[in-house]
Amino acid sequence: AQKITQTQPGMFVQEKEAVTLDCTYDTSDQSYGLFWYKQPSSGEMIFLIYQGSYDEQNATEGRYSLNFQKARKSANLVISASQLGDSAMYFCAMRIYGNNRLAFGKGNQVVVIP
Amino acid sequence: GAVVSQHPSRVICKSGTSVKIECRSLDFQATTMFWYRQFPKQSLMLMATSNEGSKATYEQGVEKDKFLINHASLTLSTLTVTSAHPEDSSFYICSAKVGVETQYFGPGTRLLVL
Repeated sequence: AQKITQTQPGMFVQEKEAVTLDCTYDTSDQSYGLFWYKQPSSGEMIFLIYQGSYDEQNATEGRYSLNFQKARKSANLVISASQLGDSAMYFCAMRIYGNNRLAFGKGNQVVVIP
Repeated sequence: GAVVSQHPSRVICKSGTSVKIECRSLDFQATTMFWYRQFPKQSLMLMATSNEGSKATYEQGVEKDKFLINHASLTLSTLTVTSAHPEDSSFYICSAKVGVETQYFGPGTRLLVL
């Protein structure tokens, strides 16, 4: 079974600065997808970015980029130019191809301060 | 992104009653929807996979008679918590699979059983 690890404690980030959220995963499968979701205090899970295991380039989506290092099994999320609205829990997730299930990490709490 | 709605957003009920939560895909058809449960400050745990026109697939440890899932149309899945007890109080969130990879989540339903 796949396992997602997010171990960073809660983080305070200065507005306009960049922040990196760590995510490592463990799987014996070669084909999988990695996701990051944002969950603000309202509870909704907002899809941010996706990286396929065979994608050679790191995924980017606006201010979000994914630093994918396959050999190290890490998929860190980088948020550039933090905004106050970025304050939320951030979850890393993985899906094995051919399996519908998403496995989630425990999440990282980010608080952006002005 | 794709829009998924949930109703109600929050519900308080008495112990022993049943509660139905609806999950709708608003601008697309979803043959597969997922139901998750999230306790405070914890990650999302997949409860079941809801397939249109067929029985739901439940995760290990989830009581199918307790959490009834119906996916009668391509845009609606319902989760009924039967004979609810205080330990069923939680945040229930659904998602719908869009395309090959991405799951889009509803806003969630906070259930409090007194």
